[in-house]
Amino acid sequence: QLQLQESGPGLVRSSETLSLTCTVSGGSVSSSSYFWGWIRQPPGKGLEWIGTIYYSGGTYYNPSLRSRVIISIDTSKNQFSLKLTSVTAADTAVYYCARHETSKGSGHYSWGQGTLVTVSS
Amino acid sequence: SYDLTQPPSVSVSPGQTASIPCFGDELESKYVCWYQQKPGQSPVLLIYQDTKRPSGIPERFSGSNSGNTATLTIRGTQAVDEADYYCQAWDSAPVGVFGGGTKLTVL
Repeated sequence: QLQLQESGPGLVRSSETLSLTCTVSGGSVSSSSYFWGWIRQPPGKGLEWIGTIYYSGGTYYNPSLRSRVIISIDTSKNQFSLKLTSVTAADTAVYYCARHETSKGSGHYSWGQGTLVTVSS
Repeated sequence: SYDLTQPPSVSVSPGQTASIPCFGDELESKYVCWYQQKPGQSPVLLIYQDTKRPSGIPERFSGSNSGNTATLTIRGTQAVDEADYYCQAWDSAPVGVFGGGTKLTVL
């Protein structure tokens, strides 16, 4: 059974870089059938799609975050990662990693449990 | 960028049908997914490709997409269905966008 687990610092200072890793078990990030993505949710607010990556390294980002986001993939470790630069309090959120199929219109079927990242001043 | 709009809240009586709309410009030209999220939990995919249900999702959940509106319909709503519901579409695939979410209250 596929499992995704987010990991990384729970506290990041304002203006610094948020870095998170999603470790995948029960499946391979090298599969050509899936994209691997990040989604976040500020406390008490809705979901925001951040971006996604394919096993080949191709990436797609939310236009509003594109200038600050880098998503990368490490097939040797079966992980993919998120970096968000120049963070502010507005970036405080629960960050989820998730998987979706490459078929058009597929949804995010598998999710990690989420990890809360707080940006402090 | 593309925007999806949902009403903040919808109320329904137990056993009745709940309809949760999601509005977007020419939304019918895009595929829509729906998620259910309960407090403290990760979202669960309910509907993908407008109308399809993943395995394990009860038949009382259904989706439609026409014109500028996609709709999640819950028939025979139960207390356990009380949750936040989010629509999601793919803009220029695979760039995703979520609606703001709708809190469903089962009165």
